[in-house]
Amino acid sequence: QVQLQESGPGLVKPSETLSLTCTVSGGSISSYYWSWIRQPPGKGLEWIGYIYYSGSTSYNPSLKSRVAISVDTSKNQFSLRLSSVTAADTAVYYCARVRHGYGYSYYFDYWGQGTLVTVSS
Amino acid sequence: DIQMTQSPSSLSASEGDRVTITCRASQSITSYLNWYQQKPGKAPKLLIYAASSLQSGVPSRFSGSGSGTDFTLTISSLQPEDFATYYCQQSYSTPWAFGQGTKVEIK
Repeated sequence: QVQLQESGPGLVKPSETLSLTCTVSGGSISSYYWSWIRQPPGKGLEWIGYIYYSGSTSYNPSLKSRVAISVDTSKNQFSLRLSSVTAADTAVYYCARVRHGYGYSYYFDYWGQGTLVTVSS
Repeated sequence: DIQMTQSPSSLSASEGDRVTITCRASQSITSYLNWYQQKPGKAPKLLIYAASSLQSGVPSRFSGSGSGTDFTLTISSLQPEDFATYYCQQSYSTPWAFGQGTKVEIK
C-alpha cells in the first residue's frame, strides 16, 4: 500500500520560503507523476504543480514565479519550495501521486494526510 | 485556463436519497474529469476517474457520467458515511483545476 507523508515547518514568516518534503513509502517514486495541492482553511482545492520522476515539471501559472518542485529518487521523496510567502499562502498542503490513464487522463489516487502551514510573523 | 463550476454548492439529503451533483467546464474537456470525496480534516479520496470509471474499492452506489462540458456524480442511495464535500477536477489541460466543491449535509 502506497503511503505519502508530508513534512516541514508548520509556521513560516512572511516573505520567507516555504519548504515541504513528501516521503513515499510502500512503492517506488519511479514511473509516476507526483503533485502538490493546497487548501486554504475552509476553502477549496488548488493544484500547485507536478513533477515526473525524471524531473520534468509543470506549475500553476498563478504560482509559477514562486514555486519549485524537485525529486530525489534515491530517497523516494519529492519537495516543494514556495518563495516570498504571504498570509494568502496559509493552507493545508497535500502531496499526491498522479496516475496517468489514457490520453490526458490524470488523477490523484494516493494522498498524504496534509500538513497545515501558517504564514505569520 | 479552464474553469470548473459545481452545482449546487451545498445540499441537504436524507439517508437513502438519490443525490446528483453537477460539474460544468468552461470549455470541452472530453472525458478528462475526476471526482473526489473529502471529509472534515481528511485528505480527498478519489471516487471516479475519466468521467465514469469507478476507482477500486469505491462502493458501486457512486457513479459518474458526462462528456464535453457537463458532468454528473450520482450517489444512488445515500449512506451515513457519504456526508462529505465532493470536488470535480479536470486534467484536460494544465493548470489542472478543481470545482469549488459541493457539501452534502444531513437533512
